[in-house]
Amino acid sequence: GAVVSQHPSWVICKSGTSVKIECRSLDFQATTMFWYRQFPKQSLMLMATSNEGSKATYEQGVEKDKFLINHASLTLSTLTVTSAHPEDSSFYICSARGGGEAPYEQYFGPGTRLTVT
Amino acid sequence: SQQGEEDPQALSIQEGENATMNCSYKTSINNLQWYRQNSGRGLVHLILIRSNEREKHSGRLRVTLDTSKKSSSLLITASRAADTASYFCATDDDMRFGAGTRLTVKP
Repeated sequence: GAVVSQHPSWVICKSGTSVKIECRSLDFQATTMFWYRQFPKQSLMLMATSNEGSKATYEQGVEKDKFLINHASLTLSTLTVTSAHPEDSSFYICSARGGGEAPYEQYFGPGTRLTVT
Repeated sequence: SQQGEEDPQALSIQEGENATMNCSYKTSINNLQWYRQNSGRGLVHLILIRSNEREKHSGRLRVTLDTSKKSSSLLITASRAADTASYFCATDDDMRFGAGTRLTVKP
């Protein structure tokens, strides 16, 4: 299947700083990318959906000024957590969906564990 | 709210037994997908079933789809300890996830 990578896999930052997480589709062009966060022993919560070249669509309750999403190319989307606080500590997962023969199949990255101290 | 809802929330079986988990959804779909997540990892795509398909197989996995009941089931046959994970379903037009089914396979 297709491969999606995330970088970094884990990051520790101080409260008040910003952190950028990258999501890349390695062998296909992702027309749509999704960002999720997941707390321990809970399901994934969809944060936003982004289409290449357009603004992301955020889920209700997700602060767009705090979680900046940029889907600048068909293989890269970034999530920037601005002015991070300890409550932003979570597991962030991206997924990508492309066209071609399997337009609906969605492939997930391995996740990024963010710890804000 | 999410489209896919999995049932049961937790399932514990012995190695070699079959595991069945269910998914219900609300609106009409083009396809439905099942995923597995090992603890602390990303999701792995298991299988996609289209709305015009009733059953699909992949190795030890068997997925059924009943569009009249808006439900799907995932059957894992001859389970192994390595199948221990959380399983989620999602539909094509709504990539929100339910709570998932946490499967534990005891050796």
